[in-house]
Amino acid sequence: GEDVEQSLFLSVREGDSSVINCTYTDSSSTYLYWYKQEPGAGLQLLTYIFSNMDMKQDQRLTVLLNKKDKHLSLRIADTQTGDSAIYFCAESNSSASKIIFGSGTRLSIRP
Amino acid sequence: EAQVTQNPRYLITVTGKKLTVTCSQNMNHEYMSWYRQDPGLGLRQIYYSMNVEVTDKGDVPEGYKVSRKEKRNFPLILESPSPNQTSLYFCASRATGGNQPQHFGDGTRLSIL
Repeated sequence: GEDVEQSLFLSVREGDSSVINCTYTDSSSTYLYWYKQEPGAGLQLLTYIFSNMDMKQDQRLTVLLNKKDKHLSLRIADTQTGDSAIYFCAESNSSASKIIFGSGTRLSIRP
Repeated sequence: EAQVTQNPRYLITVTGKKLTVTCSQNMNHEYMSWYRQDPGLGLRQIYYSMNVEVTDKGDVPEGYKVSRKEKRNFPLILESPSPNQTSLYFCASRATGGNQPQHFGDGTRLSIL
């Protein structure tokens, strides 16, 4: 079946850029998402990208999609302490009815 | 305030005792979904509903039931809970369209002894 994989942990220094990577297996994925989960809370959609796009930028966030390699990345520029959270990559079909999430990457910020 | 409300937030119960986790949204969203979150596994979709009276299985539906009699409510029913259903559960809703953000509830932590 479909699968989405991410590394479990990432530690970066405050002010540096964070890059969180994700790979997926479903070549028919239409939407690819990045969600953020802060402690004790539900998930919050950060950004998404259509499968026919290569890149999307939204303020400090840049999403890169390599469809050939089925690789998605999220870059957070100028990482701040408030960016500490778990980041989930997810993919869905064209109707976005079934959504497959990765296991999440815990981002920690060191001073 | 736009929100997805789950109840209860925490529940400790015993094997076999039927329970229902309620989910209600006030945004008139067509789509609603239930997920469970387990360490190292991320979120896995249990059931989803594209609209009233339309429900379908996600990846891990075994042991769960849902109903969608009204647009705003999407309860999750565990008819005979077992310890392997101990988990953190999230309900979510969104408007029609894959580019629409899912709004998540704050989660329900279930412990089945």
